[in-house]
Amino acid sequence: EVQLVESGGGLVQPGGSLRLSCAASGFTFSSHAFFWVRQAPGRGLEYVSAISSDGNTFHANSVKGRFIISRDNSKNTLYLQMGSLRAEDMAVYYCARDKMAGFGGVIGYWGQGTLVTVSS
Amino acid sequence: DIVMTQSPDSLAVSLGERATINCKSSQSVLYSSNKRNYLAWYQQKPGQPPKLLIYWASTRESGVPDRFSGSGSGSDFTLTISSLQAEDVAVYYCQQYYSSPQTFGQGTKLEIK
Repeated sequence: EVQLVESGGGLVQPGGSLRLSCAASGFTFSSHAFFWVRQAPGRGLEYVSAISSDGNTFHANSVKGRFIISRDNSKNTLYLQMGSLRAEDMAVYYCARDKMAGFGGVIGYWGQGTLVTVSS
Repeated sequence: DIVMTQSPDSLAVSLGERATINCKSSQSVLYSSNKRNYLAWYQQKPGQPPKLLIYWASTRESGVPDRFSGSGSGSDFTLTISSLQAEDVAVYYCQQYYSSPQTFGQGTKLEIK
């Protein structure tokens, strides 16, 4: 069974940093692309970052230069390093996986999400 | 970035009736070389992560009831629920995966009338 479990969320002050982790299990981690998608309270889904199976990354303009997505295939773990956090970054952050290897951007699996609160 | 616009923002339908949600992309998401539309639909119930319903605009995900169907091509797409059930109350999102960033529509909230 595919499992994605996020951790690392919490309260951080504006301008601060946080690292989210996503522990994956139930499949061959290195074969898949991953995504971070966020959802501000009461709002819709926003694509944040993506990383392909061979390590190519993409970041939305709203987080470019502040967030970095990475992966550790030896630990079956996805990361999102977040810096210079702003109030508008406050959201539930979902770790997500492609539906199947090489299937492009269709998200077939989602974690339960981790809440990031940015407040002084 | 490709902008995805859904209509309506909210919708109330009686049980057993048809629900229709529209999604329009700011540019075509039809890839000419393989004739596929890079468009997916997701369902999100309160307090839960989204769930994939449909991809390639009209291919139903395994386990999704056949009352859910997707149609359309190019820039105009539709999600149809043929006979609304109580468990279908949710917010529905379209997403294009034609180009990065893979943008979502703003969501359509579906309720029971």
